Amino acid sequence: AQRVTQPEKLLSVFKGAPVELKCNYSYSGSPELFWYVQYSRQRLQLLLRHISRESIKGFTADLNKGETSFHLKKPFAQEEDSAMYYCALSGPGGYNKLIFGAGTRLAVHP
Amino acid sequence: EPEVTQTPSHQVTQMGQEVILRCVPISNHLYFYWYRQILGQKVEFLVSFYNNEISEKSEIFDDQFSVERPDGSNFTLKIRSTKLEDSAMYFCASSLTGGATGELFFGEGSRLTVL
Repeated sequence: AQRVTQPEKLLSVFKGAPVELKCNYSYSGSPELFWYVQYSRQRLQLLLRHISRESIKGFTADLNKGETSFHLKKPFAQEEDSAMYYCALSGPGGYNKLIFGAGTRLAVHP
Repeated sequence: EPEVTQTPSHQVTQMGQEVILRCVPISNHLYFYWYRQILGQKVEFLVSFYNNEISEKSEIFDDQFSVERPDGSNFTLKIRSTKLEDSAMYFCASSLTGGATGELFFGEGSRLTVL
């Protein structure tokens, strides 16, 4: 079965510290993986997708098929990074049927 | 910047009542979705809609649920006879493309409380 696991409900760091939000997945084919973010009182929005291999707001994520992981990283956290982060996998059949992880709340303290 | 809009933002209803949640997707988008998130749980896929028909639905999306695009702008989710367990935040989303790599644009959600 397709599944996304985010083991940490809360990650608390100080400003300037490195951040790694963990995401592991279970998928039988070639996955399409995404990170979505929800800032306080805002809507869920795409942060980045693995196929683009891009860095957004200093965040990067590398797909590791051997470890079935797609961890989100940032070398120096900022207070404005505080948000809920969801790892998601695009399921079979296209049509953007996203399978979400439970989410990790990132709290960056001054 | 165009956004997906949802109404109402919060609805309280009695068990057994019908509820309609409304969404206005981004105007040039072709694919529409409903997701829901029960408090403290994951965001779950309910249904996708393209070319005026359901393209995929989850096990959650049983006969009590229906979707409709009654005109060129609205996309609605109807729950025929609400149950307590339907209490959740319901998110509408739309996308320009339907491929697995496309970006979904979400609305702010409609919170449904069933008493």
